[in-house]
Amino acid sequence: RKEVEQDPGPFNVPEGATVAFNCTYSNSASQSFFWYRQDCRKEPKLLMSVYSSGNEDGRFTAQLNRASQYISLLIRDSKLSDSATYLCVVNTGGGNKLTFGTGTQLKVEL
Amino acid sequence: DAGITQSPRHKVTETGTPVTLRCHQTENHRYMYWYRQDPGHGLRLIHYSYGVKDTDKGEVSDGYSVSRSKTEDFLLTLESATSSQTSVYFCAISETSGSGQSGEQFFGPGTRLTVL
Repeated sequence: RKEVEQDPGPFNVPEGATVAFNCTYSNSASQSFFWYRQDCRKEPKLLMSVYSSGNEDGRFTAQLNRASQYISLLIRDSKLSDSATYLCVVNTGGGNKLTFGTGTQLKVEL
Repeated sequence: DAGITQSPRHKVTETGTPVTLRCHQTENHRYMYWYRQDPGHGLRLIHYSYGVKDTDKGEVSDGYSVSRSKTEDFLLTLESATSSQTSVYFCAISETSGSGQSGEQFFGPGTRLTVL
């Protein structure tokens, strides 16, 4: 079983739609959780950290469920510019080593 | 954007030749990392550094070595490149050790390496 698993997609959604991505992780000792965004042929960029109580940043909401070991990302009112690959990232407790999921591809269409 | 540069940005080389990739940061962050990214795999850690001359192996370190003689520079060397090392290589930096909710990493623009 992979340490961090994501549905690869692609998710094709119309502009204005709400879309949700889930990610599961296997190491119950994981301490920190992040969502990164990666555009085609670019570097990953931090989208948001994920806190135990859940957190929101504009149209983006992240949730953490430690009991079930999954993380979610909700994007409301999707924009064309949201088209990218979203990476679920977990600090598995080994100092500052991050484990990356393979990413979920989102395509927002007119 | 974090001040991270990588050089070269693109390189084509032949099997058996040595290759060195450079990562340079202007953020004075303590931690630096080298990853590779391949289709079907998440980013995988090759080596990382927790200070000048302090480095350790990641999950895919075979065939790679690193050096960090200054805070701002982290070098990745392929001693004898193989076709399986064709990949996109990303350097990353972080300020903190990753405990609690810290440990975010910031990435350089990447180096596309092709080994023929």
